[in-house]
Amino acid sequence: RKEVEQDPGPFNVPEGATVAFNCTYSNSASQSFFWYRQDCRKEPKLLMSVYSSGNEDGRFTAQLNRASQYISLLIRDSKLSDSATYLCVVNMPGGSYIPTFGRGTSLIVHP
Amino acid sequence: DVKVTQSSRYLVKRTGEKVFLECVQDMDHENMFWYRQDPGLGLRLIYFSYDVKMKEKGDIPEGYSVSREKKERFSLILESASTNQTSMYLCASSPRGQVEAFFGQGTRLTVV
Repeated sequence: RKEVEQDPGPFNVPEGATVAFNCTYSNSASQSFFWYRQDCRKEPKLLMSVYSSGNEDGRFTAQLNRASQYISLLIRDSKLSDSATYLCVVNMPGGSYIPTFGRGTSLIVHP
Repeated sequence: DVKVTQSSRYLVKRTGEKVFLECVQDMDHENMFWYRQDPGLGLRLIYFSYDVKMKEKGDIPEGYSVSREKKERFSLILESASTNQTSMYLCASSPRGQVEAFFGQGTRLTVV
């Protein structure tokens, strides 16, 4: 079983739609969580950290559910420029924290 | 701004060649990582290092080795390149603790 799982999609939505992605993780001792965005042929870049109380950054909202071991990303009022792959990242505990990636969820926003 | 720089964007090598991929970060980060990314498989960890001269195997270390002689530089070595090592290679660094990692721009390696 993969340690971090995401639905690969693609999620194909019209501009202005609200879309949500989930990501599950296997290690209950994990403490830190992130969403990254990756554009085609580019490196992943941090979109937002995910805090226990949930957090919002403009049109983006991230939530953490420790009991069910999943994190979510909600995008409201989707823009064409939101089209990308969204990577869920969990820092796995160990001697040093190791960023462990889901396979990514592809989002396509169309006019 | 954190800067992680990989020595090449694109590289073409022949089967059996020894290949060096270099990564340099300028933020005095303790942790450095090498991943490879393949379609449908996501990012997979090859090796990581949490200090100078320290290295740990990741999930797929076979066919690779690493070197970290200085804190800012982490090198990935393909001892004898094979076609199944054709991939996008991503280097990342992070400070100690539960914080985000920062990525280089990636090296797209093709082994022919």
